[in-house]
Amino acid sequence: KAGVTQTPRYLIKTRGQQVTLSCSPISGHRSVSWYQQTPGQGLQFLFEYFSETQRNKGNFPGRFSGRQFSNSRSEMNVSTLELGDSALYLCASSFLEAGNSPLHFGNGTRLTVT
Amino acid sequence: DAKTTQPPSMDCAEGRAANLPCNHSTISGNEYVYWYRQIHSQGPQYIIHGLKNNETNEMASLIITEDRKSSTLILPHATLRDTAVYYCIVRGSGGGADGLTFGKGTHLIIQP
Repeated sequence: KAGVTQTPRYLIKTRGQQVTLSCSPISGHRSVSWYQQTPGQGLQFLFEYFSETQRNKGNFPGRFSGRQFSNSRSEMNVSTLELGDSALYLCASSFLEAGNSPLHFGNGTRLTVT
Repeated sequence: DAKTTQPPSMDCAEGRAANLPCNHSTISGNEYVYWYRQIHSQGPQYIIHGLKNNETNEMASLIITEDRKSSTLILPHATLRDTAVYYCIVRGSGGGADGLTFGKGTHLIIQP
C-alpha cells in the first residue's frame, strides 16, 4: 500500500502570498488531519477532516483553512502568509477518526516564507 | 495541552533495551495509548498502540500499567537508527482534537 503523499515537498513564498498544500491519504482512509511543526512549538494540530467534514480544529487563525474531497484527498490553504508561517506542514491519515485507528503521517511540506 | 508527560531526553547504549516512560494519569476508559517516533525532517512514524493489555510487534513492546495511568515503550535491542524523538499520545473512541495533540516527546539518543 502506498503511504501518505504530500506535495510539494518544498515551497518558498513571500509574505502576503497564499499557498495551497496537498495530501493524498492511504487508500481507504477517510480521516485526514494536518499539523504544523516548528522548532519552538513542536507539533501543533491544525484541523481534522472526516468524510469531507471538518471534525476538529486547533487554535490557529482563520488564515489557515482546509478541505477534503470525496476521494479523501485533502488540501490546506494559508492566505496572507507571514514569516512565522515558515514550518514543516504534516498530513496524517487514518481509517477512522479516533480510537483504535493509528495515524499514518506523510513526510511533510517544508514551507519557507521570506 | 497534551494529556501525556514524557522526559525530555534519554540516553541508551547500542544493543541494550531502551525503556521510554509516559505518564497519562487522566486517561479515560476508552482512550488508547499510541507511540510514534520522528527522525529529523521526516514525518512521525507509527510504532505501536494499546488499550489495556501489553502489546508487541516487530518494532517494540508496549507495557501499560494495570491502572492505565502510565506506560512504557520498550525497544528491545536499540540501534543507532533508533535515535529519534518519541511521542506518546492518547486517542479516544469519541474523537476530538485532544486525541491529536502531541507533546514535546522524548529525544532518545542511542550511544555507540
